[in-house]
Amino acid sequence: GAVVSQHPSWVICKSGTSVKIECRSLDFQATTMFWYRQFPKQSLMLMATSNEGSKATYEQGVEKDKFLINHASLTLSTLTVTSAHPEDSSFYICAGFRHTEAFFGQGTRLTVV
Amino acid sequence: LAKTTQPISMDSYEGQEVNITCSHNNIATNDYITWYQQFPSQGPRFIIQGYKTKVTNEVASLFIPADRKSSTLSLPRVSLSDTAVYYCLVGDIRNAGNMLTFGGGTRLMVKP
Repeated sequence: GAVVSQHPSWVICKSGTSVKIECRSLDFQATTMFWYRQFPKQSLMLMATSNEGSKATYEQGVEKDKFLINHASLTLSTLTVTSAHPEDSSFYICAGFRHTEAFFGQGTRLTVV
Repeated sequence: LAKTTQPISMDSYEGQEVNITCSHNNIATNDYITWYQQFPSQGPRFIIQGYKTKVTNEVASLFIPADRKSSTLSLPRVSLSDTAVYYCLVGDIRNAGNMLTFGGGTRLMVKP
């Protein structure tokens, strides 16, 4: 199947700093990528949809100024958590869609201390 | 978007067949049913997808009755490594975002 690579796998940062997470589709072009957040023992919650060459679409309640999404090419989308706080600590997952199947990244465990 | 309802958790033993049922009473004509598997601290992985009747691949079978208001994922002879959360998603394949709304999922525990 297709491969979506997410980096880093885990990151620890200090409160108030920013963290960038990369999501790459390695063997297909993804005009659209999806970003999720998952808290322990909970389901995946869609945060935003990134569109290559245009602005991302954010779900209700997700602060677009805090979670900056850039989709500059057909194979790369990035999520930057700005001014991170402990409540932003979570598991972040990206996904690309090819035909009728979604391919997910490995996820990024963010811990804000 | 069609809402899905699954059991929160299920227990099984190695070697048994496991059937996980998902209810989607308001499924639309263009909606497909897709199941994903997620291990702890990993992204979900595609298992199987279908529209109606039965679909089988190397890892699972998917049974969909004629009214399509439910579907059943069947895992033959589970092993300990099948312990994971299983998600049923329903949506229009013409709209990627429509297909990727996750419900609560079913936490399957396989015991020795």
